[in-house]
Amino acid sequence: ETGVTQTPRHLVMGMTNKKSLKCEQHLGHNAMYWYKQSAKKPLELMFVYSLEERVENNSVPSRFSPECPNSSHLFLHLHTLQPEDSALYLCASSQGFSANTEAFFGQGTRLTVV
Amino acid sequence: GEDVEQSLFLSVREGDSSVINCTYTDSSSTYLYWYKQEPGAGLQLLTYIFSNMDMKQDQRLTVLLNKKDKHLSLRIADTQTGDSAIYFCAESLFSGGYNKLIFGAGTRLAVHP
Repeated sequence: ETGVTQTPRHLVMGMTNKKSLKCEQHLGHNAMYWYKQSAKKPLELMFVYSLEERVENNSVPSRFSPECPNSSHLFLHLHTLQPEDSALYLCASSQGFSANTEAFFGQGTRLTVV
Repeated sequence: GEDVEQSLFLSVREGDSSVINCTYTDSSSTYLYWYKQEPGAGLQLLTYIFSNMDMKQDQRLTVLLNKKDKHLSLRIADTQTGDSAIYFCAESLFSGGYNKLIFGAGTRLAVHP
């Protein structure tokens, strides 16, 4: 148990559906991240939130829409996804203002787009 | 640029040492990390090394850093079946007031009897 909780653990959705992934941390961290893990590819950083403000958006398609309503919660809203978006989506948090900071990861949401 | 590279697969016999290698490109990285991912789980920090160190030992784990060559390695002594997992190397880049981790693709370690 890392202190970062992601729900749901598994999600199957059609290409026309709208769904949301949720991430929650109560570690007092001020930075939160979304990563995408696809088979045989490096872990891809999607979004970074620092103090609830989005500070990085790594050329992610607009069908992925993040939301950070407060420092403990992070969402990833999904709509009109493609089959190639199927992957493990990992949330992480850290004390973002320190040069050495351990990132704590959730267990991920396994997303399958059909 | 930001790029971290690792070999994708390593197979070792139980009881032997495992060495997982990683190269990175950004010389401004202050910290380098090794994470472990077991099946169905997220990533868990194993160990890290500060960029002004060249070696760090933590029980069965030894991290070696060659900053000149931008090469990082993780040695696991007396490898056990429970060490079977994917190991990710990551570099920490601190810019714009926040910390960003850049990961390699991960090395899948298989331990056989």
